[in-house]
Parts: sequence; structure tokens; C-alpha cells
Amino acid sequence: GENVEQHPSTLSVQEGDSAVIKCTYSDSASNYFPWYKQELGKGPQLIIDIRSNVGEKKDQRIAVTLNKTAKHFSLHITETQPEDSAVYFCAASGSSGTYKYIFGTGTRLKVLA
Amino acid sequence: EPEVTQTPSHQVTQMGQEVILRCVPISNHLYFYWYRQILGQKVEFLVSFYNNEISEKSEIFDDQFSVERPDGSNFTLKIRSTKLEDSAMYFCASSGGGRETQYFGPGTRLLVL
Repeated sequence: GENVEQHPSTLSVQEGDSAVIKCTYSDSASNYFPWYKQELGKGPQLIIDIRSNVGEKKDQRIAVTLNKTAKHFSLHITETQPEDSAVYFCAASGSSGTYKYIFGTGTRLKVLA
Repeated sequence: EPEVTQTPSHQVTQMGQEVILRCVPISNHLYFYWYRQILGQKVEFLVSFYNNEISEKSEIFDDQFSVERPDGSNFTLKIRSTKLEDSAMYFCASSGGGRETQYFGPGTRLLVL
């Protein structure tokens, strides 16, 4: 069935370093890949997304890359700050004809000051 | 900035009781969703709703669950007879005409005793 795997489950980085979170999806029909940041007690907040016709997208310190052939996509955060500490979820749209999201298991990012 | 709101933020109920979780989607959005997140696990799709009917539902969304848009602004999830395993965070989301990008509410934490 549809599945999204996400690694690592936890990630600690020093402030100012980069963080990379990787996801793999199973459904080759998925064509939309959002990333969400979830802070404690809050709902997931969209931080960046990418469509399958694009290989890379950047928004200030955040970038996402997509390799359709390998069915991999990654989140890159540069110059990390303590306020980047949160749980990050990747997601993939479902099969053609559906707009449900299949979520990854989440990565708890801790940025150490 | 418009946002999805949910009430209540927390709900404690006894097993077998009915609960209604409420959501106010972003005002010009047309597609509505419910997801749940059991503590420590990934966010799981429950149901999508468009034009006053269910578009898609997961295997989790059995006969105990129902959704309704009772007026022009609210979107509700009803669990008829709660079970212990229904304890989770329930997120409402909505998307606009393009459907792809879903915006999530802050969630309702449901605890079934």
C-alpha cells in the first residue's frame, strides 16, 4: 500500500549548522510533496512544498529536493536556529484521483544553542 | 492570515459516549479533511469532504464516524460510541480550489477513559 518513510527520527544539530531530513515514498503516482513543522501542542504548519515537475525549491533557509526516479525527497535547513526545533513531517499526495496525504513518521529536530 | 480553527482544544469522555469535534475551515476553501495522530505516531488520513459529501475515507473511518457541514462555516466530526483506541489528536484541514495544499488546524486532543 501507500507508504512514506522518513529518516532520521531524531536529529540534533548545533546552532548554525545544517539539517537534512529524508523521505521515501512508495506510490509513483504521488505528485505533490509538502513539508510540515509541528511545534508542541500545535497543528502542523506548512513550511514548503514541491510538485513533481520540479526538482528543487528554495525559500530562504529552507529547501526541498525531489528525485522522482528514486522516489526520494529531502528537506534542507541551513543556518539552523533554536526556533527551528520542532517535529517535521514530510507527506506525499495519494494516488491519482485522491488528495489525501500520506505522512511520514516525523523527525524531531533539536537545535542546540 | 486566515487559519483553520478547532474546538474544543481538549475533550475527555467516557468510553461509549458520543463526541463531536468542531472545525471552522478557511472561509473560501472548498475541500475539508480530518486526520488523526495517536500519541507518538504519524498523522493518519480519516476522511475528505467536498460539495456536501464524502470524497474519500480510510479504513479507520468506520460506521462509528460521521462528518457534517451543518452550515456555511462549520465542519464536524462525530464519533458515535467512543472506544479507548479513539484517544488521539484530531486535526481538521482545508484546501482551496487547487486542492493540493492543505492547511491544518491546531487539533483537538481527545482522551477516552
